[in-house]
Amino acid sequence: DSGVTQTPKHLITATGQRVTLRCSPRSGDLSVYWYQQSLDQGLQFLIQYYNGEERAKGNILERFSAQQFPDLHSELNLSSLELGDSALYFCASSPGAGSSYNEQFFGPGTRLTVL
Amino acid sequence: AQSVTQLDSQVPVFEEAPVELRCNYSSSVSVYLFWYVQYPNQGLQLLLKYLSGSTLVKGINGFEAEFNKSQTSFHLRKPSVHISDTAEYFCAVNFGGTSGSRLTFGEGTQLTVNP
Repeated sequence: DSGVTQTPKHLITATGQRVTLRCSPRSGDLSVYWYQQSLDQGLQFLIQYYNGEERAKGNILERFSAQQFPDLHSELNLSSLELGDSALYFCASSPGAGSSYNEQFFGPGTRLTVL
Repeated sequence: AQSVTQLDSQVPVFEEAPVELRCNYSSSVSVYLFWYVQYPNQGLQLLLKYLSGSTLVKGINGFEAEFNKSQTSFHLRKPSVHISDTAEYFCAVNFGGTSGSRLTFGEGTQLTVNP
């Protein structure tokens, strides 16, 4: 158990819909990262938040957005869903500002299926 | 371009045999290197990491990896595998600089240990 929690575990929805994935980082960790794991793209970095502020952005679609709240939990919002958005979405957290050498602790993931 | 390549998508081995999972990266600057393991229906767990110093790094579950700067490689090894080592293994690199603390992952290697 990494200490990072993600809800829900599974999500099944239809094309065009909007969903919200939730992540609670390890106690004391200020940085939260979102990654997408799909069969064709592999594991890709989406976005990082540090203490409520966006810190880095990766291959995140404009239909996707994220935020980190004052209690440090984070939400990833996916809208106008397409079949290709079906994937496993991981949240990770790390101490401090997320220095390059810090280990990232991964949650169990949310499996999103778009029908 | 900065990239991570895992040279084998699948590695089948017999129990108690040695194994090597290969990882190469493309970068001209200093990097931080990680190996993660993903068991079925679980998140990623850190096996080991190389930040600096000794090029031979020991991790959990008897795994070790060797950093070779001239060959830009970070191969993972275990002298004797167990059935329980069956999982997917990911090499991850932090390229530092403008990429911040995001991790770039290889495509993954499925290790299957047969009795």
